Amino acid sequence: RKEVEQDPGPFNVPEGATVAFNCTYSNSASQSFFWYRQDCRKEPKLLMSVYSSGNEDGRFTAQLNRASQYISLLIRDSKLSDSATYLCVPLDTGRRALTFGSGTRLQVQP
Amino acid sequence: ETGVTQSPTHLIKTRGQQVTLRCSSQSGHNTVSWYQQALGQGPQFIFQYYREEENGRGNFPPRFSGLQFPNYSSELNVNALELDDSALYLCASSLGQYNSPLHFGNGTRLTVT
Repeated sequence: RKEVEQDPGPFNVPEGATVAFNCTYSNSASQSFFWYRQDCRKEPKLLMSVYSSGNEDGRFTAQLNRASQYISLLIRDSKLSDSATYLCVPLDTGRRALTFGSGTRLQVQP
Repeated sequence: ETGVTQSPTHLIKTRGQQVTLRCSSQSGHNTVSWYQQALGQGPQFIFQYYREEENGRGNFPPRFSGLQFPNYSSELNVNALELDDSALYLCASSLGQYNSPLHFGNGTRLTVT
C-alpha cells in the first residue's frame, strides 16, 4: 500500500459547486497534515496547515479522520481560479521528509 | 521578505552529462530540501540540508548530491544523467527540519535527451 493515496481525478465541476477530495494515508501515527495547491507547471503552494482534527479557511475546510486514516478537503462555491492539482501531505513526527500524494486534479468549468 | 529562487528555470542535457541546480532559500529559513517531481506525480524527497550538512535522504542514488552554503543557499548536483532524470526539480526552504511547511521555489525543469 502506498503511504499516501489520492484519486487523480480530474474532478470536473461547475462554478459554484461544492467538491470534496479524500486522501488516505498508511501511517497511523500521522496527526497533522498539509494541503498544497499546484497550478499547471508551477510549484506547489501551501493551502492549509492542520494540526488538530480540522481547519477552515474561507471556502476551504480540511478534516482528519484518524479512525479511517483519511484526510478530506472540501471546497465550497468553487471558482474558476480553484482549478489546480491538490496535494495532501500527512505529517510524520519522526521524519524530516514530507511525503506527498500524487494529487487530485480539479477543473472548475464556467 | 525574499522567497525561494531557483536557477536555471529550464535546462536540456544529454544522457551521461552532469548538471548543477541552484537555490536561494527564503530569508530566515535555515533548512533546504530538494524534491523531484515527475509528470503526473507528487514531489519525491531527494535530501535535506541543515547547517550545511545533509541530514536526511530519500531513495535516490549517490549520483545525486548536494551542498548547502553558510548563507543557506544550496546546490543539487546530478552526475551521469539518465533519461529518467527528466523532471521538475523543486527546492524548498523551511524554518525547521521536521514537519515545517515547505516554501517552494518555482523549480528547474530538466530534460535529458
